[in-house]
Amino acid sequence: DQQVKQNSPSLSVQEGRISILNCDYTNSMFDYFLWYKKYPAEGPTFLISISSIKDKNEDGRFTVFLNKSAKHLSLHIVPSQPGDSAVYFCAAMGVGSGNTGKLIFGQGTTLQVKP
Amino acid sequence: DTEVTQTPKHLVMGMTNKKSLKCEQHMGHRAMYWYKQKAKKPPELMFVYSYEKLSINESVPSRFSPECPNSSLLNLHLHALQPEDSALYLCASSQTPGAVAGNTIYFGEGSWLTVV
Repeated sequence: DQQVKQNSPSLSVQEGRISILNCDYTNSMFDYFLWYKKYPAEGPTFLISISSIKDKNEDGRFTVFLNKSAKHLSLHIVPSQPGDSAVYFCAAMGVGSGNTGKLIFGQGTTLQVKP
Repeated sequence: DTEVTQTPKHLVMGMTNKKSLKCEQHMGHRAMYWYKQKAKKPPELMFVYSYEKLSINESVPSRFSPECPNSSLLNLHLHALQPEDSALYLCASSQTPGAVAGNTIYFGEGSWLTVV
C-alpha cells in the first residue's frame, strides 16, 4: 500500500523551462511534506517543505504547492538548470501527538534537464 | 551547518563478519534515524532514536543492532548479514523527535554496504 505516490518515473525538460514534479498521497493524517533531491551515490538533500496550513511555499527557484482536498502536491523549478538533473523524492509525515518523525517516501522522479 | 557525517562510505563484508556503520552530527539534534535504500527504491525507515533512546524499530532483523552512545553519535552494528542486505544505509537527524512543521530531517551521504 503506497501512501505516497510519484506517478511519473521520469521527466525531461529543456534548460530555462519550468519543471513540474507531482506527488499524491492517500493518508489524510499526513500534514507535513518535504521534497528531497538525490544524486547517485549520495544521500538525499533537503530542498523545500510545506505544512498543511499553507498552500504554497517558495524558496528561490523552487516552489511547492499543496492541494489538501485533492491530496496532491507539486514541486515547480523555474528556471530549470542542467545541475537540477537528479532523482526527486516527495516525502510525507504526520504531525501531532504520537507522531514518530517517520518519513514516507514516494518512488521518486528522475529529472533530466537538457542544455 | 546541516551536516550529517557517515563512515565508512563503502564497506564490503562477509556473511560471518561483524562490522559497524557510524554517524555523527553536531547540530544539537535530538532525533537520529537509520534508513535503508535499495537500488531504484525510496529510502525506508529502520530505526528512530529520540533523546538517545530507541523509540522506533521498524521490525528490523536482529542482525542489525543500533546504538546511540551520546546525542551526537549513532552506530549501526552489523553481524551475520545476508547478501540481500546489500544497500545504501542512510543516517539522518532532526531538531526534535517526531514531526513538527519546520522540523527538517537532514540526511548524511550514506554508507554503501556490500555483503559477499
